[in-house]
Amino acid sequence: DGGITQSPKYLFRKEGQNVTLSCEQNLNHDAMYWYRQDPGQGLRLIYYSQIVNDFQKGDIAEGYSVSREKKESFPLTVTSAQKNPTAFYLCASTEGQGWETQYFGPGTRLLVL
Amino acid sequence: GQNIDQPTEMTATEGAIVQINCTYQTSGFNGLFWYQQHAGEAPTFLSYNVLDGLEEKGRFSSFLSRSKGYSYLLLKELQMKDSASYLCAAMDSNYQLIWGAGTKLIIKP
Repeated sequence: DGGITQSPKYLFRKEGQNVTLSCEQNLNHDAMYWYRQDPGQGLRLIYYSQIVNDFQKGDIAEGYSVSREKKESFPLTVTSAQKNPTAFYLCASTEGQGWETQYFGPGTRLLVL
Repeated sequence: GQNIDQPTEMTATEGAIVQINCTYQTSGFNGLFWYQQHAGEAPTFLSYNVLDGLEEKGRFSSFLSRSKGYSYLLLKELQMKDSASYLCAAMDSNYQLIWGAGTKLIIKP
């Protein structure tokens, strides 16, 4: 079955710690995205990548970093510089480079201890 | 600025019809998406409109008026499993999605 996987489902971060959220897709999609979802707010774009070895900042990139070394993988690192990281993180992908329908992974909920 | 407005919460009865409205203001426009999201789960794609008019897909229909910056999602023959949040998102001239905060739909028996 083709799809997008995210791991872990729940992640706990201690103060001052960097954590990495995994996103893998086997759909052979070109573009991948990271969103953050907070209660009462729309999804906010953190980073996106339209091609391997290239990525662009979204609206709220500060305190986050990404890499796109392989087409199928787009991990997100939440650094200690992100002071309010508690949120639901969603990874998505599109077949082409951005104008198509986005398909989402199951999400990772990040909580701060 | 770019903005999407949709009601925060709506309540409807099983078997009835409900219409969820969405108004948008974006820099350029390349279509309007509706997604369904059950609590704690990923959004799933429902519909895409780029031309004016009504698109019907089973129990769900979506309408777009570009001149009014307005869309609605119509759900017929409501079932308990339709209890979810419904997200409206408009694609701007840079092909970026601008998301509404979602409408939580509560279905009562």
